[in-house]
Amino acid sequence: NAGVTQTPKFQVLKTGQSMTLQCAQDMNHNSMYWYRQDPGMGLRLIYYSASEGTTDKGEVPNGYNVSRLNKREFSLRLESAAPSQTSVYFCASRGRDRAYNSPLHFGNGTRLTVT
Amino acid sequence: SQQGEEDPQALSIQEGENATMNCSYKTSINNLQWYRQNSGRGLVHLILIRSNEREKHSGRLRVTLDTSKKSSSLLITASRAADTASYFCATEQNNDMRFGAGTRLTVKP
Repeated sequence: NAGVTQTPKFQVLKTGQSMTLQCAQDMNHNSMYWYRQDPGMGLRLIYYSASEGTTDKGEVPNGYNVSRLNKREFSLRLESAAPSQTSVYFCASRGRDRAYNSPLHFGNGTRLTVT
Repeated sequence: SQQGEEDPQALSIQEGENATMNCSYKTSINNLQWYRQNSGRGLVHLILIRSNEREKHSGRLRVTLDTSKKSSSLLITASRAADTASYFCATEQNNDMRFGAGTRLTVKP
């Protein structure tokens, strides 16, 4: 019973490099989310996908792209990494039948450092 | 900007005491949820209260919601050292889930 799985767990990038953070859930959830967590800032929503085939911007989408590859997988791409993107990234999912009024299930995060 | 704001930012109490954390938000919501995060881990859901509910209980947790004041509180009774963690409120508005900056709770044995 894996829940939400994020890969990689840790990553160091140089400024300007690109990478994709992977997220997969095995709970047949409809909605998936990407957040970043910085010290003292709590979690900020980057992008979310309410259902397969749809994506929407959150509060801090600049510098990121997402792909809802299928119902299980939701990836986050940094096309040209910047030091300001150093953070811990969390993927979450929720909602089998309906997303409203259902809790988020989180992965354990990806710690990204951009030098 | 973040939707929810927790207060206080940090709270330190003795084991056995009660801990109260507050959350204020800005816009209308479908529901408000509380989460817990242990250091270095993902968030874990604690309790969800819908916009038409005023109070909810789960074990040692009690959550209240006042939509007229746009605020919520989380009470942890008879705290234990294992309750040491960060606690976050999250508000939902049409599938968009936003979190506050959290309250860091330390329970001393």
